[in-house]
Amino acid sequence: DGGITQSPKYLFRKEGQNVTLSCEQNLNHDAMYWYRQDPGQGLRLIYYSQIVNDFQKGDIAEGYSVSREKKESFPLTVTSAQKNPTAFYLCASSIGYRGPNTEAFFGQGTRLTVV
Amino acid sequence: QKEVEQNSGPLSVPEGAIASLNCTYSDRGSQSFFWYRQYSGKSPELIMFIYSNGDKEDGRFTAQLNKASQYVSLLIRDSQPSDSATYLCAPSRGTSYGKLTFGQGTILTVHP
Repeated sequence: DGGITQSPKYLFRKEGQNVTLSCEQNLNHDAMYWYRQDPGQGLRLIYYSQIVNDFQKGDIAEGYSVSREKKESFPLTVTSAQKNPTAFYLCASSIGYRGPNTEAFFGQGTRLTVV
Repeated sequence: QKEVEQNSGPLSVPEGAIASLNCTYSDRGSQSFFWYRQYSGKSPELIMFIYSNGDKEDGRFTAQLNKASQYVSLLIRDSQPSDSATYLCAPSRGTSYGKLTFGQGTILTVHP
């Protein structure tokens, strides 16, 4: 089955630790995105990538880092510099073409809690 | 000015009524407009997308787009309790542009 897989579903982190959230897609999509969602809030863009080995900061990139070494994978590292990392993290991907239907497909999310 | 603005609600409608959800956007280069539904604790799922001015209907859902006014809306006819969710608006210039920004979402509650 084609889709986006995020792991783990739940993640607990001690203060001061870095953690990495996994995102893998087998949809052959060029574009991938990371969003953060806080309770009762919308999606805020952390990083996005249109092509392998290239990525851009979104609106709230501070305290996060990403890599795009393979088309299928776009891992997100939450560093100790992120002051309030407890949130629901969503990864998405979309096809890379110039037409109108560039629907984003989402993974099931990772819920990160700082303990 | 926010890139995408939605009334956060909550919007409460009785079962069987029409729910009207609104979204305004600031980027005049936006070409396509997506409406996603998100149930609590779940990931968003696409309901509709529209890229031409006017109306687009799909079952109980109608999307309306007015690019001159930078306004897009979603109408849900014959609302059901299962429609209770957060609805997210996302204008897009297309994948070639890269960035995909969502509104803060409107919480819809349909009560029996």
